[in-house]
Amino acid sequence: GQNIDQPTEMTATEGAIVQINCTYQTSGFNGLFWYQQHAGEAPTFLSYNVLDGLEEKGRFSSFLSRSKGYSYLLLKELQMKDSASYLCAVRNGDYQLIWGAGTKLIIKP
Amino acid sequence: IAGITQAPTSQILAAGRRMTLRCTQDMRHNAMYWYRQDLGLGLRLIHYSNTAGTTGKGEVPDGYSVSRANTDDFPLTLASAVPSQTSVYFCASSETGQNEQFFGPGTRLTVL
Repeated sequence: GQNIDQPTEMTATEGAIVQINCTYQTSGFNGLFWYQQHAGEAPTFLSYNVLDGLEEKGRFSSFLSRSKGYSYLLLKELQMKDSASYLCAVRNGDYQLIWGAGTKLIIKP
Repeated sequence: IAGITQAPTSQILAAGRRMTLRCTQDMRHNAMYWYRQDLGLGLRLIHYSNTAGTTGKGEVPDGYSVSRANTDDFPLTLASAVPSQTSVYFCASSETGQNEQFFGPGTRLTVL
């Protein structure tokens, strides 16, 4: 089968750094996405990785290792508004998007 | 309209009733998708359309149907609703099947 694994919930402190991991097992790979979803709202696109390495976008960075089936989302200088769920999704060999259940990130002052 | 709109925002429906969830985008995106999101589960694809006039089945298509008569609209129909279809439904679109997806605000559906 195909699956995406992420921690269910994480807690971090305002101003700190947090790393959210995602491991995947899919039939083929054509890219990995990270989305942010605030409670009661729609997911919004954060980042896309298709090659190994780190993609940086402001306070957010995303890393991919295709050989390990692993990605992480790194959030720096955490703000209260970063409290949300973070969804990892992998596009498989058939170009289907497989979604993880998401990681709920709780930011404490 | 800016982006994707969905209607209704929420709905309570009696089991056995027919219901159509509406989705409209104004970005001229070719691909559109319907997902359901349930607590503790990832987004699950119900149906998709890569371009106007074509549709395909996703991971959980049973009990749902779609049509894509034009680029902008992608309605989802529940022919005879059942309580297990209680969920939050998201419509999404992307320029092609390979780009990031943009999501509508969602429809919260309760089937009693």
